[in-house]
Amino acid sequence: ETGVTQSPTHLIKTRGQQVTLRCSSQSGHNTVSWYQQALGQGPQFIFQYYREEENGRGNFPPRFSGLQFPNYSSELNVNALELDDSALYLCASSLKAVSGANVLTFGAGSRLTVL
Amino acid sequence: DQQVKQNSPSLSVQEGRISILNCDYTNSMFDYFLWYKKYPAEGPTFLISISSIKDKNEDGRFTVFLNKSAKHLSLHIVPSQPGDSAVYFCAASSGSSGGSYIPTFGRGTSLIVHP
Repeated sequence: ETGVTQSPTHLIKTRGQQVTLRCSSQSGHNTVSWYQQALGQGPQFIFQYYREEENGRGNFPPRFSGLQFPNYSSELNVNALELDDSALYLCASSLKAVSGANVLTFGAGSRLTVL
Repeated sequence: DQQVKQNSPSLSVQEGRISILNCDYTNSMFDYFLWYKKYPAEGPTFLISISSIKDKNEDGRFTVFLNKSAKHLSLHIVPSQPGDSAVYFCAASSGSSGGSYIPTFGRGTSLIVHP
């Protein structure tokens, strides 16, 4: 059973640029969630995808967008990067939640630095 | 407005003693609570959870207590081991938002267990 893998692990961008982060789900999982973890903060929910459609969204602007592919892998795209976008971006896969017992399996994250 | 609060950024404990990590929440709709553990350069991993219909759940050295009236939960680790040194995140979810059960995370508590 493979876990959640994310790429790239680290990247540096400048303000105004665009970035794409990628995530491969754990085998058997059909739902992907993305979280942003700023320094000293807990993971903040960005959005979730199920069956290639957005299934929930946190308090993030539209320049944060995503995709889920038929193989359940996913991308997070951020346009017009701002300095405050510097953070660890965590991808988590799971089965579609039918109760609060649903457990997320996280990847190790992609560390984005915006200069 | 933080709905899940971990007011202690760090905790230092001697090996063999008890570690108690605390978490408070404000949203009375939360009905499921989870703890995740995060080592450096790794993603958070699920540790233990509790439903709001229970007040205690135990798994080996780890016990979570829930006090619904106080909107407070705690994670007890007995006995603490150096390998428990990590950041611990409290998370809470509810099915009220269209049944999404998307967890909201606290800021985390960094536990250091000294040999």
